[in-house]
Amino acid sequence: AQTVTQSQPEMSVQEAETVTLSCTYDTSENNYYLFWYKQPPSRQMILVIRQEAYKQQNATENRFSVNFQKAAKSFSLKISDSQLGDTAMYFCAFMNRDDKIIFGKGTRLHILP
Amino acid sequence: KAGVTQTPRYLIKTRGQQVTLSCSPISGHRSVSWYQQTPGQGLQFLFEYFSETQRNKGNFPGRFSGRQFSNSRSEMNVSTLELGDSALYLCASSLELAGTYEQYFGPGTRLTVT
Repeated sequence: AQTVTQSQPEMSVQEAETVTLSCTYDTSENNYYLFWYKQPPSRQMILVIRQEAYKQQNATENRFSVNFQKAAKSFSLKISDSQLGDTAMYFCAFMNRDDKIIFGKGTRLHILP
Repeated sequence: KAGVTQTPRYLIKTRGQQVTLSCSPISGHRSVSWYQQTPGQGLQFLFEYFSETQRNKGNFPGRFSGRQFSNSRSEMNVSTLELGDSALYLCASSLELAGTYEQYFGPGTRLTVT
């Protein structure tokens, strides 16, 4: 069965620092997608970044980047120059070709002033 | 402990019909949130219920409604179905006790509107 594990339930960092959120997954499939979603208190789910498994190059979106290690089944999110507005829950998600999506339990990130 | 369950897992409806989806949260969880997942829009928040009250609401038309029962089970209803309502509908529950917050997602209901 496919699983997604986020081993850090909660993290705190100072503003402007760099923080890395970890995510590991388990699948026997070769083609799939990985996502990081940000969820502020409003409960909206905001797509932060996505990665196609067939692409070796790590995805980057402004201050957000991933370290995708396919063999290790690891998909960590790095937030550079963290800002107060980055405070939120972050969910890692796996989606296969049949659009079945599985989420991790989330990491609560606090950016401290 | 059993996870979040959603029924039915698959559903096919025609335009104009209505549909009701059900979500049973993890035992003891009082918060239930609903999301719509589509390839184009990604994951979009529909609404959240806590202790039988709608606590948060996303930007969906009034055709989408929900409710929560005293046992925390929740239902989502979509009336006058449109083709664009075809999606995977996900339910998530959380405990929210003493500041803890982990959201557990169900497997989803795949709705196809023809």
